[in-house]
Amino acid sequence: GENVEQHPSTLSVQEGDSAVIKCTYSDSASNYFPWYKQELGKRPQLIIDIRSNVGEKKDQRIAVTLNKTAKHFSLHITETQPEDSAVYFCAATRTLRYAGGTSYGKLTFGQGTILTVHP
Amino acid sequence: KAGVTQTPRYLIKTRGQQVTLSCSPISGHRSVSWYQQTPGQGLQFLFEYFSETQRNKGNFPGRFSGRQFSNSRSEMNVSTLELGDSALYLCASSLAVASGRSVTDTQYFGPGTRLTVL
Repeated sequence: GENVEQHPSTLSVQEGDSAVIKCTYSDSASNYFPWYKQELGKRPQLIIDIRSNVGEKKDQRIAVTLNKTAKHFSLHITETQPEDSAVYFCAATRTLRYAGGTSYGKLTFGQGTILTVHP
Repeated sequence: KAGVTQTPRYLIKTRGQQVTLSCSPISGHRSVSWYQQTPGQGLQFLFEYFSETQRNKGNFPGRFSGRQFSNSRSEMNVSTLELGDSALYLCASSLAVASGRSVTDTQYFGPGTRLTVL
């Protein structure tokens, strides 16, 4: 099955610096890669995602890059702010298509990165 | 639209008991997935339901089961609870409908049910 490795496990930066979190996956058939942010005591929230037909995607201060050949993808946060402090999870899945719909259910998550942004 | 809801939010059980957790997806969403979150194992996939049928299953023992109703609401059941089943159980829903080249697949998580087994 799919295996996702995430690094680093903890990341501490100063406000305004950039933060980069990296993930590698094992299943070359994986084609959907979301990133979730989870604040303490709250639910995971999707912050950005990328599909295998795209190499890079950006949304304001957040960007994700994907290297299918090397089977790794990365989250980049620029101009970090204290409110960016949270646990970040990467995930990977292979599209499965069923009659009448498409399933993306079986997300395999990385172990998470605790990001701390110091004011 | 209301988000994904889960009930109950907190649950305390003793070893050997069974428990049923409920998840109501976002209106119109057809796929519901369940995940177990623990400090040691992180987020692990349990199973996914689509159109009342289990489509995917993770590596959990048969004590973990689930079902989905015609209105897409889902329940998961854990029988013969063990101490190691203490965790946050999250469900996520997605539209999971392909329309031409457009696929809406984002998974939205509920707040979770915190299960403590004593």
